[in-house]
Amino acid sequence: SQQGEEDPQALSIQEGENATMNCSYKTSINNLQWYRQNSGRGLVHLILIRSNEREKHSGRLRVTLDTSKKSSSLLITASRAADTASYFCATDGAGTASKLTFGTGTRLQVTL
Amino acid sequence: DVKVTQSSRYLVKRTGEKVFLECVQDMDHENMFWYRQDPGLGLRLIYFSYDVKMKEKGDIPEGYSVSREKKERFSLILESASTNQTSMYLCASSPGYGDEQYFGPGTRLTVT
Repeated sequence: SQQGEEDPQALSIQEGENATMNCSYKTSINNLQWYRQNSGRGLVHLILIRSNEREKHSGRLRVTLDTSKKSSSLLITASRAADTASYFCATDGAGTASKLTFGTGTRLQVTL
Repeated sequence: DVKVTQSSRYLVKRTGEKVFLECVQDMDHENMFWYRQDPGLGLRLIYFSYDVKMKEKGDIPEGYSVSREKKERFSLILESASTNQTSMYLCASSPGYGDEQYFGPGTRLTVT
């Protein structure tokens, strides 16, 4: 069953602009993670935010978590063409014994 | 550098064949996972293993089995391949409960 759902499904922006994608989930979590997938490849971990954290930064990435609304957002600032990829949120649900549940992803296209 | 390798990038098999997908990690991770990825459905967990010879069913285990005889190797077996098992298969590993997962490059399997 899908726990996380990303919004929008697809996003097209120009280089230098910021990209924001959102993730909503259904049940209590221990942490939420964001991953990137370049076309036809494996996923790469970007950032992990724990349920007791509200915001986290890593380079040009900023992640927020609102557990009361069961939602998270990923902001990529000053986007580059190399950021073109699909982005997935994944939740580590409380009591799910090491399992992550992934959403269906947001496809980001950054044009020159 | 962390590394997860998968035995094949592309594989074509006939209906009814027995198919083995191999995954090896070099990080001494406890947990290993097999996912399949289909357009519009995101990643779905097939099986995971939290220790040698231990396995747990994921969300879609039907038609699949797994084997973990050594810590570094996790195999996915399709006992009798069917066309609805045509998909991208992704292997991942993680050091512990709820930790970030490291993914292999994926195997695109086509069953004809």
